[in-house]
Parts: sequence; structure tokens; C-alpha cells
Amino acid sequence: AQSVTQLGSHVSVSEGALVLLRCNYSSSVPPYLFWYVQYPNQGLQLLLKYTSAATLVKGINGFEAEFKKSETSFHLTKPSAHMSDAAEYFCAVGPSGAGSYQLTFGKGTKLSVIP
Amino acid sequence: DAGVTQSPTHLIKTRGQQVTLRCSPKSGHDTVSWYQQALGQGPQFIFQYYEEEERQRGNFPDRFSGHQFPNYSSELNVNALLLGDSALYLCASSSGLAIALSYEQYFGPGTRLTVT
Repeated sequence: AQSVTQLGSHVSVSEGALVLLRCNYSSSVPPYLFWYVQYPNQGLQLLLKYTSAATLVKGINGFEAEFKKSETSFHLTKPSAHMSDAAEYFCAVGPSGAGSYQLTFGKGTKLSVIP
Repeated sequence: DAGVTQSPTHLIKTRGQQVTLRCSPKSGHDTVSWYQQALGQGPQFIFQYYEEEERQRGNFPDRFSGHQFPNYSSELNVNALLLGDSALYLCASSSGLAIALSYEQYFGPGTRLTVT
């Protein structure tokens, strides 16, 4: 079975400061990992994905994440926070095995950016 | 290029009623998945449709059923609604090939269902 743990349900950073959102996963098969962002009253937008190629993945809006197999982690970072980054962020893992196509999500981390 | 669309945007139903939610996938996509996102939680997988058949199902009761049409659009039906069914229902689409290679899915804006 797969699972995702996002440490910190709420993270606050100052505008211009480093953003670090933590994600740890558990998977019995080589994982595919994703970060999605959700703005209020909207669906999920894909930020970036890891699909067993480069371990450092660059996404949209200046975000990046590093896959660390030894730590079973896939933390999301951005060097300098912008007010528009305020949203909820979800880490997801897939698949759970052969013939499985579902994504398993964490509970999310709400990012607040302080001016 | 239209993305994933869902209707209606919001819906209010009474316990015991039935509801149908609709989803049109992104152009070129043939696979549709449905997720339930309760308040303060991450999305949970309900089921996935491919070639008009349910290909995979999550841990949801039989009250949740679906359908995929020849044009790849999909419906989610929930019978005998419970208060706990109140949630944001998200539809995600992908191409059959892409999802097999990278499991990437594109999400719609969701339908907010409130059960009173």
C-alpha cells in the first residue's frame, strides 16, 4: 500500500523567503511523485512530477523538488516566496502496483505568505 | 484548448437523494478518474474509467457508481446520499498512454456537493 505524509498542515513564510514544504512517501514499488497546487475554490494544478529520470525536478512558477530515495522524501522548495504562492499544496504518489493508475494524496499543506 | 470541465459547480442535496455529476476530459484524453476531497483533506480516489469500463476502484461503497460515454465524458452517480458525502468531487483526465508512462492526470475545477 502507498501513503503520503505531509509534515505541517500550515506553513507561513515572509515574502521573499525560502519556501520548503515537506513530503515523505511510502511505496512498495518504484514511485512516481507529484506536487499539485490548489487555489481557493479551484481544482488541482500540476506543479511538477518525478518519473524516475533526474532526481531534481523543476516545475512551474519557480518551484522544484528533489527525490531522495534513501529518505523516502520529495520536498518542494522555492527560493523566494511571492504573494501569489499562497495556496494549498498536495503531494501525491502513484502507482500502487501493476495495473494501478490511482494517485494517493497527502492531506495537504496550506502555505501563507506574509507581506 | 479546453481543459477538464465539470458540471454543475455547486449542488445542494438532501440526505437519501441521488446525485449525478458530469465531467468532460481534456481534448485528446480518453481516461477519466474521479476523486472525493473532503474539507481539510487530500483527494481520495473513487474510480477510473477507460474505454467505457471501470478499470480501477478505490475504497468507496457501491452507492458510488459511474459511467463513461463514447465521447470519453463521464458521470459520477451517488445514491442514498449521506451527510458524509459532502465534499468537493474532482474529475481528472489523462490519455491512456500517458497515464501508463507517467501517471500524470489533469484535474478539473470540481463540483462542490453539500448534503443537508
